[in-house]
Amino acid sequence: GESVGLHLPTLSVQEGDNSIINCAYSNSASDYFIWYKQESGKGPQFIIDIRSNMDKRQGQRVTVLLNKTVKHLSLQIAATQPGDSAVYFCAENGGGNQFYFGTGTSLTVIP
Amino acid sequence: EADIYQTPRYLVIGTGKKITLECSQTMGHDKMYWYQQDPGMELHLIHYSYGVNSTEKGDLSSESTVSRIRTEHFPLTLESARPSHTSQYLCASSENERQETQYFGPGTRLLVL
Repeated sequence: GESVGLHLPTLSVQEGDNSIINCAYSNSASDYFIWYKQESGKGPQFIIDIRSNMDKRQGQRVTVLLNKTVKHLSLQIAATQPGDSAVYFCAENGGGNQFYFGTGTSLTVIP
Repeated sequence: EADIYQTPRYLVIGTGKKITLECSQTMGHDKMYWYQQDPGMELHLIHYSYGVNSTEKGDLSSESTVSRIRTEHFPLTLESARPSHTSQYLCASSENERQETQYFGPGTRLLVL
């Protein structure tokens, strides 16, 4: 089966600093990846996605980097704010109808 | 903000009761999904649908059933709730392309006593 894992279960950063959340995946056939943010008591919210024909994609304050050689995905959040505190999941899709999700990294922003 | 809704948001119920968790989306998406998520754990797919009258079981075995009579509606039913069903249930939908972002509802937290 699929295996999507996150290197760190928790991450604490100072407000204003940049955050980096990592994700490893095992299926080399996966070609579409999504980062989700899940706040307490809410459903996952789409942040940014990337397809395997790209190495980098930028959004508003967020950047996703994809390294297919080592099957690694990262989410960078610039100037982290208290509202960024949440659990962040990566999800991978290998072309079928199912996404596979990691357990998540809990990001805490310290004011 | 995705237009996908789940009711109830919280449910506490006794063992043996029949329950239905509602999920509706107003985006016209063909694909809909149900996930189960325990605290601090990853999402596990329990059911999905490609469209009206289409339902499939996901990776995680579940005693629940689903139906898809209308595009916008994808209810999940437990005929006889048990404490092992205590979890969070998340509904999602996506457009009918090969790979499309799934948009999630707020979830239903179920506690079976």
